[in-house]
Amino acid sequence: NAGVTQTPKFQVLKTGQSMTLQCAQDMNHEYMSWYRQDPGMGLRLIHYSVGAGITDQGEVPNGYNVSRSTTEDFPLRLLSAAPSQTSVYFCASSYSSTPEKLFFGSGTQLSVL
Amino acid sequence: AQSVTQPDIHITVSEGASLELRCNYSYGATPYLFWYVQSPGQGLQLLLKYFSGDTLVQGIKGFEAEFKRSQSSFNLRKPSVHWSDAAEYFCAVVLVGGSNYKLTFGKGTLLTVNP
Repeated sequence: NAGVTQTPKFQVLKTGQSMTLQCAQDMNHEYMSWYRQDPGMGLRLIHYSVGAGITDQGEVPNGYNVSRSTTEDFPLRLLSAAPSQTSVYFCASSYSSTPEKLFFGSGTQLSVL
Repeated sequence: AQSVTQPDIHITVSEGASLELRCNYSYGATPYLFWYVQSPGQGLQLLLKYFSGDTLVQGIKGFEAEFKRSQSSFNLRKPSVHWSDAAEYFCAVVLVGGSNYKLTFGKGTLLTVNP
């Protein structure tokens, strides 16, 4: 049982480049989410999904896109990377969207030059 | 506005000493409360949660937290800290009846443990 798997672990982009951060979970969780973590800011919700085919915006969605074609996968797309998107990104999942334990991936450290 | 405050950005304790990490919230009603721990280079792991009932909650790794409604607090405690407890700790809050996407995290407290 791998839990929540994020790839890549590290990524360096140039301003304007696009890329996709991958997130997969093997726990059959309905709820999946993406957070960014910046020093002194805690975790902020970017996008979330309550099931396949359903996504919605969180607190800081601008510059990011998501889709949920399967229960297992929830990729995060940066359309045109900006230095302000330099951050550590975490994917999290839980059985449902009701408040309960979130399972986190180990994160992707992204630098945009 | 709803908010979660962790007043201490960084705490240093000696190994074997007791620990208390503070968390205060500002909500219109009693929320659900969580403590997560993040070890270096890792994702967050749930330590404990409070939904209702006994206000003293036991968690993993020997941690406990006490909910005090009168003080709007949910402080995390451990009687004897181990070097492996060095990590960043996050308090998180969501209103009763809310959803995980309404979960609000505090800004975190970094714990350093001296030998």
